[in-house]
Amino acid sequence: GAGVSQSPSNKVTEKGKDVELRCDPISGHTALYWYRQSLGQGLEFLIYFQGNSAPDKSGLPSDRFSAERTGGSVSTLTIQRTQQEDSAVYLCASSLGPPDTQYFGPGTRLTVL
Amino acid sequence: DQQVKQNSPSLSVQEGRISILNCDYTNSMFDYFLWYKKYPAEGPTFLISISSIKDKNEDGRFTVFLNKSAKHLSLHIVPSQPGDSAVYFCAASGVVTGTASKLTFGTGTRLQVTL
Repeated sequence: GAGVSQSPSNKVTEKGKDVELRCDPISGHTALYWYRQSLGQGLEFLIYFQGNSAPDKSGLPSDRFSAERTGGSVSTLTIQRTQQEDSAVYLCASSLGPPDTQYFGPGTRLTVL
Repeated sequence: DQQVKQNSPSLSVQEGRISILNCDYTNSMFDYFLWYKKYPAEGPTFLISISSIKDKNEDGRFTVFLNKSAKHLSLHIVPSQPGDSAVYFCAASGVVTGTASKLTFGTGTRLQVTL
């Protein structure tokens, strides 16, 4: 079956612009996660959704970052007023629910000029 | 504060030999550990996991060992194959403490298997 998909695969934006990143989880997976990987770093947890609610937003680095999930499926991560330090690969994962294995998408590479 | 550490950024092993990738953690609340493999331009792929109630878990060529007293785990790949060349990430979570949803990752070890 289809895995986790993310779009766009690459995004180049100018400092100060808003961006939206999309994640389509594996069908039937109720849990959805966002991580980011900055250059030379490990993956950093951002937010976790169970259904449409987000019981853990503890990893969002600032109030410029927000995420939503609709219909228990697609999720959008929005970064407002992007800064150069936001440049990273943003990865989405889904699972049947913790602690079930998380399956990752290919990521969106965000570059803020 | 790096709670999961992979101190070797890279490792080179000959085909057919054993690859040993190491990982250390500092948070005693972690009780579930995973290894992911990542190829360039792809997302991480789950390899193998281990619960803290075990000290070893084996799946084909991959074995993970956990030493709780030392807060150390290792991934053994035997025999190593050229297709194993990738970046390997160690990850941890706390199932009993209710943080199973949040994986904490190390910075990865790049494995190169040479012919």
